[in-house]
Amino acid sequence: QQQVKQSPQSLIVQKGGISIINCAYENTAFDYFPWYQQFPGKGPALLIAIRPDVSEKKEGRFTISFNKSAKQFSLHIMDSQPGDSATYFCAASGGDSSYKLIFGSGTRLLVRP
Amino acid sequence: GAVVSQHPSWVICKSGTSVKIECRSLDFQATTMFWYRQFPKQSLMLMATSNEGSKATYEQGVEKDKFLINHASLTLSTLTVTSAHPEDSSFYICSARPGLRVGEQYFGPGTRLTVT
Repeated sequence: QQQVKQSPQSLIVQKGGISIINCAYENTAFDYFPWYQQFPGKGPALLIAIRPDVSEKKEGRFTISFNKSAKQFSLHIMDSQPGDSATYFCAASGGDSSYKLIFGSGTRLLVRP
Repeated sequence: GAVVSQHPSWVICKSGTSVKIECRSLDFQATTMFWYRQFPKQSLMLMATSNEGSKATYEQGVEKDKFLINHASLTLSTLTVTSAHPEDSSFYICSARPGLRVGEQYFGPGTRLTVT
């Protein structure tokens, strides 16, 4: 019940295209859903996050769509650029006082020029 | 804002020795700090959660006597890998949680540990 399932495992997109990464969770107590971007040899960087009281959040080219009833959330990267090539992790937390993040397995995105 | 640093960024040590990794929140006070381990092409694995001034809470399967965590202040946590062995070689990443923002964690750049 603590798992966050992420798909796809890898994704190749042409420059200018839309990259879509999906995550699903089981624990209805989760109340914070961030996305992290990680480049090789670096720590994850917080990209964008959403809470269950909204269905969508947009920051620049990055949008999170959140479906509470389906217990799913997704990251959309519009106008994908080669510089977006990285590994993306979804995560979730909430339901207890530990504030632990439960991470998805990651998606390796490659944006071809 | 919300910058977390780690030192060193990489370290090579001999089997049997101990290594200390520092994690600092540079522009905020961290109520809670977390330590993760990451193997190549895998997700982050939470090792332990530490709160300032109290003992760390370790995840199941993590040896607390091997991975010593000290959270001495609201801006500094340290991870000491004791009696390191080659299987401890990994990428260690810390994160810090600002007290007022529930859920948000900011990650350090990571420390690459190689045990020879």
